[in-house]
Amino acid sequence: AQSVTQLGSHVSVSEGALVLLRCNYSSSVPPYLFWYVQYPNQGLQLLLKYTSAATLVKGINGFEAEFKKSETSFHLTKPSAHMSDAAEYFCAVSDAGGTSYGKLTFGQGTILTVHP
Amino acid sequence: DAGVIQSPRHEVTEMGQEVTLRCKPISGHNSLFWYRQTMMRGLELLIYFNNNVPIDDSGMPEDRFSAKMPNASFSTLKIQPSEPRDSAVYFCASSPGISPLHFGNGTRLTVT
Repeated sequence: AQSVTQLGSHVSVSEGALVLLRCNYSSSVPPYLFWYVQYPNQGLQLLLKYTSAATLVKGINGFEAEFKKSETSFHLTKPSAHMSDAAEYFCAVSDAGGTSYGKLTFGQGTILTVHP
Repeated sequence: DAGVIQSPRHEVTEMGQEVTLRCKPISGHNSLFWYRQTMMRGLELLIYFNNNVPIDDSGMPEDRFSAKMPNASFSTLKIQPSEPRDSAVYFCASSPGISPLHFGNGTRLTVT
């Protein structure tokens, strides 16, 4: 079974500050890992994905995440927060073997607030 | 690419009524997923299809829920009879076999 834990349901930063959203996963097989962002009244949009290539993954809007197998972590970072980054962020894990046809297990989400 | 299209965007109904949510996946995507999002339980996978065949429906709450995918371009999620605890945002997502998923904008269901 796979699971995802996002540490901190709410994170607040100032505009221009570092954004760090934490995600730890549990998987019995090599995982695929994802970060999604959800803006109010919208569906989830893919920010970035790890699929067993480079451990440092760059995504859209200046976000990146690093896969650390030893720590079972996939934390999301952005060097400088922008007001438009305010949203809810979800970490998700999938079976890399492909037998689950892309079935994702999501974390509970982290709401990012950006202050001027 | 029109994305995943869900209808209606909002649905308000009375307890006991039948509700049908609709989804059109992205053309060429052969996997389709129905998720439910609530404050208490977050995002829960209800059911998913591959090549129009239901693969895993273990997340369907109870017999009141049913889902169909009659062809590659259309799926429905039906709740009959609906109950207030079914109030949630229901998302449809599709993928080209292996993740990542592409989500629709969801249907916000309110059952009074």
